[in-house]
Amino acid sequence: NAGVTQTPKFQVLKTGQSMTLQCAQDMNHEYMSWYRQDPGMGLRLIHYSVGAGITDQGEVPNGYNVSRSTTEDFPLRLLSAAPSQTSVYFCASTLGQGATEAFFGQGTRLTVV
Amino acid sequence: GENVEQHPSTLSVQEGDSAVIKCTYSDSASNYFPWYKQELGKGPQLIIDIRSNVGEKKDQRIAVTLNKTAKHFSLHITETQPEDSAVYFCAAGDTGNQFYFGTGTSLTVIP
Repeated sequence: NAGVTQTPKFQVLKTGQSMTLQCAQDMNHEYMSWYRQDPGMGLRLIHYSVGAGITDQGEVPNGYNVSRSTTEDFPLRLLSAAPSQTSVYFCASTLGQGATEAFFGQGTRLTVV
Repeated sequence: GENVEQHPSTLSVQEGDSAVIKCTYSDSASNYFPWYKQELGKGPQLIIDIRSNVGEKKDQRIAVTLNKTAKHFSLHITETQPEDSAVYFCAAGDTGNQFYFGTGTSLTVIP
């Protein structure tokens, strides 16, 4: 099993560009989440999904869209990148209701210039 | 929503000494408190967790304590080793879904 796979690992965008960060898990986990990690601020929840076809907002959802068409994939879309979205993004998955351990991907380091 | 505070932000200890990291939370409805270790260039990895119906949990050199009344929980690492050097995050929330993370503690173990 590969676990949680994120692509790309690094990305540089210009202000106003759009892009999609990919996240895939092969553990048949129901729950998937996106976090951003900024210096001195820990990890903050952007969006999450409790199953295919179901998504909801976290703490910092503005500027990001998600969809969950399959159990395996949970892409994060930046529609119009802004310098404030420069961050390291982590995708995580959890088995499901009542489960505990969240498995994180390796992260995507995004720079918006 | 939940607010998790974590201290200290940096911690240096001599190899073999103990390290303690403390967190407080605000939402009395939180019932699950995991600790994650993040090594450079990697995603966080769960090292230990505790539920609200338990006061203490140990796993070899690592222990976590929880005081529900005071709304604080702590990570204790004994006999520290250089490979313990990493960033540690506490979190609070409910199981499986939404976690609120502390701001992290960068631990350095000096050989």
